[in-house]
Amino acid sequence: EIVLTQSPATLSLFPGERATLSCRASQTVSGYLAWYQQKPGQAPRLLIYDASTRATGTPDRFSGSGFGADFTLTISSLEPEDSAIYYCQQRSNWPPELSFGGGTKVEIK
Amino acid sequence: QLLESGGEWVQPGRSLRLSCAASGFRFEDYAMHWVRQAPGKGLEWVSVIDWNNRVTGYGDFVQGRFTISRDNAKNALYLQMNSLRVEDTAFYFCAKDIREQDYNGFHVWGQGTMVTVSS
Repeated sequence: EIVLTQSPATLSLFPGERATLSCRASQTVSGYLAWYQQKPGQAPRLLIYDASTRATGTPDRFSGSGFGADFTLTISSLEPEDSAIYYCQQRSNWPPELSFGGGTKVEIK
Repeated sequence: QLLESGGEWVQPGRSLRLSCAASGFRFEDYAMHWVRQAPGKGLEWVSVIDWNNRVTGYGDFVQGRFTISRDNAKNALYLQMNSLRVEDTAFYFCAKDIREQDYNGFHVWGQGTMVTVSS
């Protein structure tokens, strides 16, 4: 089983600042990594897939990078509505098995 | 586009069947998933079924207790949960995969249905 470790657990920044979220895998996942945003009381929303491809509707201030076992989600200039928990997710193709990281909470000061 | 149902309160050891009604896309072209989230906790992948209803996968914690299935004629996804435990208490989401005929992740999510396991 591939384990994803996200850091930091919490990030507290001002509007306009840059946020850098990390996701590390216990073994290579190639480029099969996705990022999700979840706000309180809502279902998660897909932001990024294939490590760096924005999903439809994802603002361009969100960008993903990385390959292998080290990945980053960057929010270039934080907006108040970016306050949420962000999860990374990987998949193993055979047998099909997916898993999430523990999440990073982004707080806007 | 995805609407879950079937969640309720049950006692430990009992069974429950969740359903998910899909609309707005070609259901038979996509793998479908169940993901759960215990109150105040993170996301946990539960199970996947391929577009042909032939291949399935489960999280390690399932330990043979859950069975995922689908009916492409009805655009419906199911999760049969047996031998329920207190730790299975969670919101259960169904989700459509990102790509046709592949396993990648979760593009579209339902709003979830709550399962409470308690004596």
